[in-house]
Amino acid sequence: EPEVTQTPSHQVTQMGQEVILRCVPISNHLYFYWYRQILGQKVEFLVSFYNNEISEKSEIFDDQFSVERPDGSNFTLKIRSTKLEDSAMYFCASTRIRNNQPQHFGDGTRLSIL
Amino acid sequence: QKEVEQDPGPLSVPEGAIVSLNCTYSNSAFQYFMWYRQYSRKGPELLMYTYSSGNKEDGRFTAQVDKSSKYISLFIRDSQPSDSATYLCAMSASVDYGGSQGNLIFGKGTKLSVKP
Repeated sequence: EPEVTQTPSHQVTQMGQEVILRCVPISNHLYFYWYRQILGQKVEFLVSFYNNEISEKSEIFDDQFSVERPDGSNFTLKIRSTKLEDSAMYFCASTRIRNNQPQHFGDGTRLSIL
Repeated sequence: QKEVEQDPGPLSVPEGAIVSLNCTYSNSAFQYFMWYRQYSRKGPELLMYTYSSGNKEDGRFTAQVDKSSKYISLFIRDSQPSDSATYLCAMSASVDYGGSQGNLIFGKGTKLSVKP
């Protein structure tokens, strides 16, 4: 069964550094999402992306965050200047546009900010 | 009032038991309802997906949605030790992009342990 893949599985970065988290969505999917889960807390929506632009973003997704689909397969989340509170699991999800299909998630990247 | 409420447990049951997991919500615009299973250090894995009210069955799993009460349930019959995981409810409203669902709002998850 096709799946969403994310790399790296674990990223350790010094505070203030830039990080890029990578995702390869399921190939025929057109909607892409990033969520995060701080340890012990709910999964929270960050941003959705369709047709090469942001569809919706949450309050968490401030100017430090950006997303990009640099080619036909990858979908990236960049955090420009990381803070300690950015430490979390980051999940990518994707869905097909038609017939209200559910979102499928990758296994996440664990981001640790030191 | 929080948008989605879910009892975090933990819930411990013997193998073979029927498990009932529940979520309540406050936003009447929610139309899509999902249950995900999450193992430790893994991503949410889709178990059940329901649009609007009603029941849906898939093997040992049954999902129920009662929009009038803003209440959703997941039942697991003949529970197995391999069902031990955290179960997340999630829901969303429709957005005007070809009828696709919007961003998901999750419950906090219920940690389930099935003892052999």
